[in-house]
Amino acid sequence: EAGVAQSPRYKIIEKRQSVAFWCNPISGHATLYWYQQILGQGPKLLIQFQNNGVVDDSQLPKDRFSAERLKGVDSTLKIQPAKLEDSAVYLCASSPNLLAGGPNEQFFGPGTRLTVL
Amino acid sequence: GQQVMQIPQYQHVQEGEDFTTYCNSSTTLSNIQWYKQRPGGHPVFLIQLVKSGEVKKQKRLTFQFGEAKKNSSLHITATQTTDVGTYFCAGKWSGGFKTIFGAGTRLFVKA
Repeated sequence: EAGVAQSPRYKIIEKRQSVAFWCNPISGHATLYWYQQILGQGPKLLIQFQNNGVVDDSQLPKDRFSAERLKGVDSTLKIQPAKLEDSAVYLCASSPNLLAGGPNEQFFGPGTRLTVL
Repeated sequence: GQQVMQIPQYQHVQEGEDFTTYCNSSTTLSNIQWYKQRPGGHPVFLIQLVKSGEVKKQKRLTFQFGEAKKNSSLHITATQTTDVGTYFCAGKWSGGFKTIFGAGTRLFVKA
């Protein structure tokens, strides 16, 4: 079974530039998560999708961050314009179905390491 | 707001010693998950606890969920160098879909 795919793996940009990250979850997984992980901290949930609908985006800085999952499969996360404090690893995760009960374990992708100069 | 506090932040042990990390919530959890993240890697699911007082074991790892469902612990018996990494708890509360991660406990094992 293929895991969660993310690209790019690394990105270096200057502040005020824009950047986009892509995630392809495990086939059949209805729930998709984007996390921001700053060095030395735990993953912080930015946005959570159930199919193509947003379940939670309470911690997404909506003035600069946006995310979509138009067809309920893959997803993109965009930052525009980037700030120095956005330097972090952006992790995508998926789980089978948030609403179906059961363990709902999250499978994480390798992440995208973003450096903002 | 909803959050999980995790202690200690770091733990250095000699190989063969035991290790425990603790996770606490001020409000009752619906369930708690534990993940391990190796240096340079991504979080990997270890286990989910749902029932009050639940205890689960995976080889040298023992996971507990408190009676009040507000705290949890992960205990590793006789640590090995392969146990190195950061252990995160992640809590979920009733009435919501969001899972919130603790700050993690980073384990260092000296051979």
